[in-house]
Amino acid sequence: NAGVTQTPKFQVLKTGQSMTLQCAQDMNHEYMSWYRQDPGMGLRLIHYSVGAGITDQGEVPNGYNVSRSTTEDFPLRLLSAAPSQTSVYFCASSYSIWLAGISGANVLTFGAGSRLTVL
Amino acid sequence: SQQGEEDPQALSIQEGENATMNCSYKTSINNLQWYRQNSGRGLVHLILIRSNEREKHSGRLRVTLDTSKKSSSLLITASRAADTASYFCATDARAGGTSYGKLTFGQGTILTVHP
Repeated sequence: NAGVTQTPKFQVLKTGQSMTLQCAQDMNHEYMSWYRQDPGMGLRLIHYSVGAGITDQGEVPNGYNVSRSTTEDFPLRLLSAAPSQTSVYFCASSYSIWLAGISGANVLTFGAGSRLTVL
Repeated sequence: SQQGEEDPQALSIQEGENATMNCSYKTSINNLQWYRQNSGRGLVHLILIRSNEREKHSGRLRVTLDTSKKSSSLLITASRAADTASYFCATDARAGGTSYGKLTFGQGTILTVHP
């Protein structure tokens, strides 16, 4: 059981180039999300998906595109890379846990991360 | 904007000592979670506390939640060198239904445990 798999682990781009970060999960989780991690900023949500064919924006969506054609895959596309997109990117998946006395909680399973540098 | 603010930003202790990390948040929450991140790795879920709970234990971890003060603390007892990592609180602010995995993370506390 691989969990959440991200590729590539490292990537260097030049300003203006485009690329796709791949994310795949094998746990049949409904929900998937992309976060970026910057020093001193914690993790910030870029985009998320609640199921195949359904995506929505998070806190910092500009410059990124996503799609979800299958339950397993949730690629993140950088349309025209900028130095401000230098970051570590994490893909996560989850499903709702219905706890007694409280509505659906989501525990995230993260991939190992993709470190992107834009020159 | 970040929901969670954590302190201290960095904590350095000796093996065997207890480590306490604090998290404050701004809005009402459904639950609060703590995650651990080893250097260069992804985050791993440690523990979840629901908004109607005040304290929860898991092994050497103890989490408290004070919804009136909008704060939580994570206590690691009898720390080990292997506990060296960054620790993040994450809030699930959805009032009803599910958050769809949209958590809001704090900036994290870097814990260093010296052998």
